[in-house]
Amino acid sequence: GIQVEQSPPDLILQEGANSTLRCNFSDSVNNLQWFHQNPWGQLINLFYIPSGTKQNGRLSATTVATERYSLLYISSSQTTDSGVYFCAVERINGNQFYFGTGTSLTVIP
Amino acid sequence: DAGVIQSPRHEVTEMGQEVTLRCKPISGHDYLFWYRQTMMRGLELLIYFNNNVPIDDSGMPEDRFSAKMPNASFSTLKIQPSEPRDSAVYFCASSFQRASSTDTQYFGPGTRLTVL
Repeated sequence: GIQVEQSPPDLILQEGANSTLRCNFSDSVNNLQWFHQNPWGQLINLFYIPSGTKQNGRLSATTVATERYSLLYISSSQTTDSGVYFCAVERINGNQFYFGTGTSLTVIP
Repeated sequence: DAGVIQSPRHEVTEMGQEVTLRCKPISGHDYLFWYRQTMMRGLELLIYFNNNVPIDDSGMPEDRFSAKMPNASFSTLKIQPSEPRDSAVYFCASSFQRASSTDTQYFGPGTRLTVL
């Protein structure tokens, strides 16, 4: 399979702070997505971003496919951003979708 | 649309029993995915369907697990016989496309399975 490593594993922020989450992967991919799992367990897709940069409100993501990493930026964090952020990838010519172990984010008011 | 619907939300059963998890995808979505989440193994893709046809089941842990999609609006994941190590949260998700800019997977609320 493909190795997907996320860092940091845990992050605690004061409300209003900015943060950068990283996802490293061990092989070339044609599919990379970021997900958020809220404290109640609901999973939400944030970005489909196998390359390039996208922005959605306070969130943005950048994937540098040639260097095999992706970054998720959260600006002006809010308590509702708390939860676990997962990166998931699919290798070129593959069918399996591999998740990283996640970054657990806690935003303190 | 009501989103992806899963049932039951919670299931407690005894080892050896058959368990059937159900999923109704979002109408119009061509892809359906079954995932399992545990503390030890994290999130794993078990199987996915395209237009009701299983495309990749390499994530299915063993023969005790089977999944079907008899029509575009219904899928089941069956475990027979169940074992304590099958205890997990099972998610179903659906999407319109795959590996494209419209590959947004919408997840159901999950089924929390406990096998005693």
